[in-house]
Amino acid sequence: EVQLVESGGGVVRPGGSLRLSCAASGFTFADYGMSWVRQAPGKGLEWVSGINWNGGSTGYADSVKGRFTISRDNAKNSLYLEMNSLRAEDTALYHCAKSLPGEQWLVPGYWGQGTLVTVSS
Amino acid sequence: EIVMTQSPATLSVSPGERATLSCRASQSISSNLAWYQQKPGQAPRLLIYGASTRATGIPARFSGSGSGTEFTLTISSLQSEDFAVYYCQQYNNWPPRTTFGGGTKVEIK
Repeated sequence: EVQLVESGGGVVRPGGSLRLSCAASGFTFADYGMSWVRQAPGKGLEWVSGINWNGGSTGYADSVKGRFTISRDNAKNSLYLEMNSLRAEDTALYHCAKSLPGEQWLVPGYWGQGTLVTVSS
Repeated sequence: EIVMTQSPATLSVSPGERATLSCRASQSISSNLAWYQQKPGQAPRLLIYGASTRATGIPARFSGSGSGTEFTLTISSLQSEDFAVYYCQQYNNWPPRTTFGGGTKVEIK
C-alpha cells in the first residue's frame, strides 16, 4: 500500500524558514517523480514544485521560485521542500504527491494528507 | 503561465442525473489535462489523465473528453459519493510547470 507521510510543518514568522519532509513507502520511490501541492484554508489547489525520478529535472511555481527548493533522497525514500523567506500567503496545507510513471511526472497520482504551514507574526 | 478556467463554479445536480463540468486553457495544452476529486477533509484523488484516461479504480461513470483548450468531465449518473469539488490540471514537461483550475463544486440539488 502506498503511503506518503509529510512532516515539518508548523508556525513560523514572516521571513523565516522551514523544511518539509515526505516519507514514502509501499512503492519503488526511485522510479517516480514527486510533487508538492498546497491548499490555503478554504481555497483551491496550487502546485508548488515537482521533481523527476532522479532529481535531474525540477520545476517551480512562479510564486515560490527563488525561495523554495525541492530535493529528494532515493536512498532514504524521502522528498523534501526547503522553504525560505516565507510570507503570509505561503500559509497552507502542503501535500506531498507521487506522480504517474514516466513522462507524466508532473501529474500527482497519489496524495499524502499534508502538513500545515502557518506564516504569522 | 497557462491559466485554467473552470465553469461553473457551483453545479447543483440531483442524484442519478448527469453532470457536465468544463475546463478551459488559456492556450493549447494538447491532451495534457487531468481531473481530480476532493471531498471535505480529504486529499484530492486523481480521476482522469491524458484528458480521457481513467485512473486505476475510477468508475466508468466518470469520463473525460477534449483537447487543445476545451475539456469536459462528465459524470453520467451522480451517486451520493460524487458530491465534491472537482479540479482540472494542465501539465507540460518543458518547462516543468503545471497549474490547476479554480474548481467546480458539485452539490446536491
